Amino acid sequence: DAKTTQPTSMDCAEGRAANLPCNHSTISGNEYVYWYRQIHSQGPQYIIHGLKNNETNEMASLIITEDRKSSTLILPHATLRDTAVYYCIVRVGMKTSYDKVIFGPGTSLSVIP
Amino acid sequence: DTGVSQDPRHKITKRGQNVTFRCDPISEHNRLYWYRQTLGQGPEFLTYFQNEAQLEKSRLLSDRFSAERPKGSFSTLEIQRTEQGDSAMYLCASSRDVGNTEAFFGQGTRLTVV
Repeated sequence: DAKTTQPTSMDCAEGRAANLPCNHSTISGNEYVYWYRQIHSQGPQYIIHGLKNNETNEMASLIITEDRKSSTLILPHATLRDTAVYYCIVRVGMKTSYDKVIFGPGTSLSVIP
Repeated sequence: DTGVSQDPRHKITKRGQNVTFRCDPISEHNRLYWYRQTLGQGPEFLTYFQNEAQLEKSRLLSDRFSAERPKGSFSTLEIQRTEQGDSAMYLCASSRDVGNTEAFFGQGTRLTVV
């Protein structure tokens, strides 16, 4: 079962920041927070992941609360091409063992012109 | 790095027929995963390979489904005696087993059983 809770859908105005929340209150100390997105009719795309520190890459920023029970994915300047389903996932860092990606229903983000 | 490649992209088959899908992972990725996705749902895990060894199978993988990865490179997923309920997108993903281990997904094979 998915270990995260996300809103079903969100809207965001084009050019504004999109802030996608995720609750993962049962996260374990060795579990990372991963974000993927899936644009219509395509396979899921990795965005970013983090353990406890905030992370930033060319696609997005990930803010994880100090207690690690929730996080927020930030798309700083949303474009129409960011319209997609966004999945927040927790999984073990896989240095010595594997951990499959378990998807929940995700958040459907609509970027509005 | 050409990404994860899946073939075919679309398949329409009559109920009762057998179908086979192919997945070519990113080279040097030891791990390979198969998922199924129906409309409006997130992808559901089906099975996982570490090199050529199939290490986990979901209960979703009925006896009609079989997956192989004979040489630890490409993988095939076969569905025998297809049913209308098998209609879905079948996704393949691969990852390393050390270092940066995020999974990279292919574009999927959309199966329609008529």
